[in-house]
Amino acid sequence: RKEVEQDPGPFNVPEGATVAFNCTYSNSASQSFFWYRQDCRKEPKLLMSVYSSGNEDGRFTAQLNRASQYISLLIRDSKLSDSATYLCVVNIHNNDMRFGAGTRLTVKP
Amino acid sequence: EPEVTQTPSHQVTQMGQEVILRCVPISNHLYFYWYRQILGQKVEFLVSFYNNEISEKSEIFDDQFSVERPDGSNFTLKIRSTKLEDSAMYFCASSPLGTRNTEAFFGQGTRLTVV
Repeated sequence: RKEVEQDPGPFNVPEGATVAFNCTYSNSASQSFFWYRQDCRKEPKLLMSVYSSGNEDGRFTAQLNRASQYISLLIRDSKLSDSATYLCVVNIHNNDMRFGAGTRLTVKP
Repeated sequence: EPEVTQTPSHQVTQMGQEVILRCVPISNHLYFYWYRQILGQKVEFLVSFYNNEISEKSEIFDDQFSVERPDGSNFTLKIRSTKLEDSAMYFCASSPLGTRNTEAFFGQGTRLTVV
């Protein structure tokens, strides 16, 4: 099983749509979880951390299910500017973050 | 807004040559990292560095790689004898605490091309 696994997509959605991304991780001892966003040929940038109780930041909602080793990201009311690759990131121990391959999202007018 | 800066933005080198990639982390950060991303592939962890020593390293970070913090501001990645397969984007990152507790902030990357 891969350390961090994501559906690569691509997801092509119209503006205003709601889209959800899923991610699973293999190391049950993982302690911190993040969603990063990466635009083409750019560096990854933090979108949001993922907390055990779930958390929301505007149109973005992240959930964590430790029992199933599963993380999700929900984007509501998609904007054209949301088009990017979304990276699921898991800190597997102390200072070792592992990235998923990313899910590509294109939001169309 | 403070940021991680990397130089050069693009480096071309001949196979077998040594390269040094340079990074200036955010000034009050204590943890430093190198990642790489081969074109079209995922971001891969190489190494983390704290208190002047390597904290963790991945299976990719073999003897041809080394890291150094030569002064109070720079953090470097050296590749001793480059191979064609070392061609990738190399990202430096830093964080105030370890990534067990907080996110990492990434520089814009150095694109390394080995010919």
